[in-house]
Amino acid sequence: DVKVTQSSRYLVKRTGEKVFLECVQDMDHENMFWYRQDPGLGLRLIYFSYDVKMKEKGDIPEGYSVSREKKERFSLILESASTNQTSMYLCASSLSPGRFPLHFGNGTRLTVT
Amino acid sequence: GQSLEQPSEVTAVEGAIVQINCTYQTSGFYGLSWYQQHDGGAPTFLSYNALDGLEETGRFSSFLSRSDSYGYLLLQELQMKDSASYFCAVRDRTGANNLFFGTGTRLTVIP
Repeated sequence: DVKVTQSSRYLVKRTGEKVFLECVQDMDHENMFWYRQDPGLGLRLIYFSYDVKMKEKGDIPEGYSVSREKKERFSLILESASTNQTSMYLCASSLSPGRFPLHFGNGTRLTVT
Repeated sequence: GQSLEQPSEVTAVEGAIVQINCTYQTSGFYGLSWYQQHDGGAPTFLSYNALDGLEETGRFSSFLSRSDSYGYLLLQELQMKDSASYFCAVRDRTGANNLFFGTGTRLTVIP
């Protein structure tokens, strides 16, 4: 079974802090993704990566950056956290999205105060 | 860009059949996926349709009509544990390596 592990289930940070969300997958997938999920808005793609050191912007990249130094690890960085970044963050990996499933982690509930 | 429309809420009776519709607009369609998410849980993959027609997996079936830009998820013999949110998602040429998700349909199964 594919396992996608997100480092924190709950996180509380202050406005202006730099925040790191970590994600690790154990299935050697090339593709990794960061989504945020908000009520009524579904899952919105922030960034994705199709290879080590490669990254592509998704639909809502503003205020975020990512890092993929190793194939199994994909980090989401909030350079200066703001209250409108309070959300559920979901990491996923896939062999090839669509035809093959996205495997999601359990999510990180981030609250920015 | 892409847009997906699905009903926000559906309620159905245990043992019944329910259909969740999804219409989409994309520029270069590759396929339509469905995901299930229970409260507090991660989304899990249910099905993928790239070609027209019905795909069946146990109690769940998914249908696609590319000419109508339309698909649906059919859940049969509903069980209480099927209460969850269901998301359709498209893969298209603008983002061949990613999926664009709809806003989800909250299914409530009642006794």
